[in-house]
Amino acid sequence: AQSVTQPDIHITVSEGASLELRCNYSYGATPYLFWYVQSPGQGLQLLLKYFSGDTLVQGIKGFEAEFKRSQSSFNLRKPSVHWSDAAEYFCAVSTNFGNEKLTFGTGTRLTIIP
Amino acid sequence: SAVISQKPSRDICQRGTSLTIQCQVDSQVTMMFWYRQQPGQSLTLIATANQGSEATYESGFVIDKFPISRPNLTFSTLTVSNMSPEDSSIYLCSVLDRSRSGANVLTFGAGSRLTVL
Repeated sequence: AQSVTQPDIHITVSEGASLELRCNYSYGATPYLFWYVQSPGQGLQLLLKYFSGDTLVQGIKGFEAEFKRSQSSFNLRKPSVHWSDAAEYFCAVSTNFGNEKLTFGTGTRLTIIP
Repeated sequence: SAVISQKPSRDICQRGTSLTIQCQVDSQVTMMFWYRQQPGQSLTLIATANQGSEATYESGFVIDKFPISRPNLTFSTLTVSNMSPEDSSIYLCSVLDRSRSGANVLTFGAGSRLTVL
């Protein structure tokens, strides 16, 4: 069965600094990959997804992620974070095109300091 | 994308009672899903709510504990029965949206935060 690992439970960065959140997956073939964000008291919002093609995908709110097959990774990046980016970030994987069942990582909580 | 409304947004419940969570979608959808997010944990799929048939439960979840209704293509309920403190979680409703690429993407409601005393 597939699995997702987010090795960083909590990350703190200064406003304006760059950000990279790590995500590694375990699956024999190429999965479908997602990043979701959960702001306090909110549901999950899709930031971006990778299905195929260009391995660097752009998402909303200035986020991007790069799929690296050799490293089984799908790290999320942002060149300059804003205070409003403070939230919980979840990486998820699906192994069927229907994408009706996602396996989520345990999440990374992002704190922004002035 | 679909807009999902969940009620209640939060509740505090007594041990042994049951609570029903409602999920309303602004468009007709074939499949609806219920996820659980325990404190400090990730999301786990509870079941798939199918219109016109019984819900399909994931391993570790049973109908007696989490009965689900799906009376039409825009609405579903999840009941958490005979609650214990271990049921304190955020319960999220989700549906599949079709992206511009043609593939499906899960859209989530804001969740229902349950605290069981």
